[in-house]
Amino acid sequence: EAGVAQSPRYKIIEKRQSVAFWCNPISGHATLYWYQQILGQGPKLLIQFQNNGVVDDSQLPKDRFSAERLKGVDSTLKIQPAKLEDSAVYLCASSLWKTTDTQYFGPGTRLTVL
Amino acid sequence: AQSVTQLGSHVSVSEGALVLLRCNYSSSVPPYLFWYVQYPNQGLQLLLKYTSAATLVKGINGFEAEFKKSETSFHLTKPSAHMSDAAEYFCAVSDTGGFKTIFGAGTRLFVKA
Repeated sequence: EAGVAQSPRYKIIEKRQSVAFWCNPISGHATLYWYQQILGQGPKLLIQFQNNGVVDDSQLPKDRFSAERLKGVDSTLKIQPAKLEDSAVYLCASSLWKTTDTQYFGPGTRLTVL
Repeated sequence: AQSVTQLGSHVSVSEGALVLLRCNYSSSVPPYLFWYVQYPNQGLQLLLKYTSAATLVKGINGFEAEFKKSETSFHLTKPSAHMSDAAEYFCAVSDTGGFKTIFGAGTRLFVKA
């Protein structure tokens, strides 16, 4: 079974530039998560989709971050414009249905904002 | 509101010694509890999961955790540490409705030869 795929693995940009991350979850998983993991901290949920719909985006900085999940499969997370404090690892995860199901994580995208 | 506290951001043990990583949770309803491990430059992977079926949960790589409701704890243990156990460990809690998961700040485990 293929795991969660993410790209790119690394990205370096300057502040005020834009960046996009892509995630392909495990086939058949209805729920997809985007987490931000700042160095030395645990993952913080940015947005959670169930199929096409948003379940939770309460911690997504909506003035600069946006995410979509077209056709309930792949997802894209965008930051525009980036700030220095956005430097972090962005993790994508998927689960069968609910948060009580095991979440399967991708390798993450390490973003550095200069 | 749910929360997770992991005591100790860093834990160092000698190879062959007992590993004990502490996790306390706060939840108004019986929670689901998880331990995930993260190796360098990798995503998180599940070690074990508590779903109220049994208070002692056995996971992969010889790890186990015990749910103690009276202490609101879910500490992770392994009888004998191996060098390959060096990683970061995260405790997480989910409501039984399955709508939200919260992760702790993590504990980095160092294993000395």
